[in-house]
Amino acid sequence: AQTVTQSQPEMSVQEAETVTLSCTYDTSESDYYLFWYKQPPSRQMILVIRQEAYKQQNATENRFSVNFQKAAKSFSLKISDSQLGDAAMYFCAYNAGGTSYGKLTFGQGTILTVHP
Amino acid sequence: KAGVTQTPRYLIKTRGQQVTLSCSPISGHRSVSWYQQTPGQGLQFLFEYFSETQRNKGNFPGRFSGRQFSNSRSEMNVSTLELGDSALYLCASSTTGIYGYTFGSGTRLTVV
Repeated sequence: AQTVTQSQPEMSVQEAETVTLSCTYDTSESDYYLFWYKQPPSRQMILVIRQEAYKQQNATENRFSVNFQKAAKSFSLKISDSQLGDAAMYFCAYNAGGTSYGKLTFGQGTILTVHP
Repeated sequence: KAGVTQTPRYLIKTRGQQVTLSCSPISGHRSVSWYQQTPGQGLQFLFEYFSETQRNKGNFPGRFSGRQFSNSRSEMNVSTLELGDSALYLCASSTTGIYGYTFGSGTRLTVV
């Protein structure tokens, strides 16, 4: 079974600084999809960034970028120029594609605090 | 473009009762997934529906069931509620999941 591990229960960063959130996963699949979601106190999960395993290029969305290391099964999220609005719980998620319809396997989450 | 709408936002039920939660996906999204979120177990996949058919199911007891209507709206039902069913229930919709899923704000269910 696929598992996703986020080893940092909590992280903090100063406004305008850079922070990296870690995620590792376990799978025997060669093609799959990885996501980072943000869950603020409003509870709604918001998609931050996605990565397709067959693409070697790391995904980037504005201030958010990933470091995808397929051999190491690592998928970290870097937030640059952190803003107060980035404070939230961040979840790493995995989808095996194929017949894994709708099934995201989530890590336990990392609470990110942004200090002004 | 309206987002994923879940109703109700909050619900309090008594042990032994049953409950139905509703999810209206983004227009054009035919896939709807349900998740249970608790502090202890985190986010766990319940099931996924596409064009009124359940295509995937997580490891939950048969008390948890769902369905999808022809307009893609979905309902989730929990029968014989237990205290441990208290959780945030999230619904997500997608055209095809590989591009990501859009979540609703969830229904907070409290069982007393």
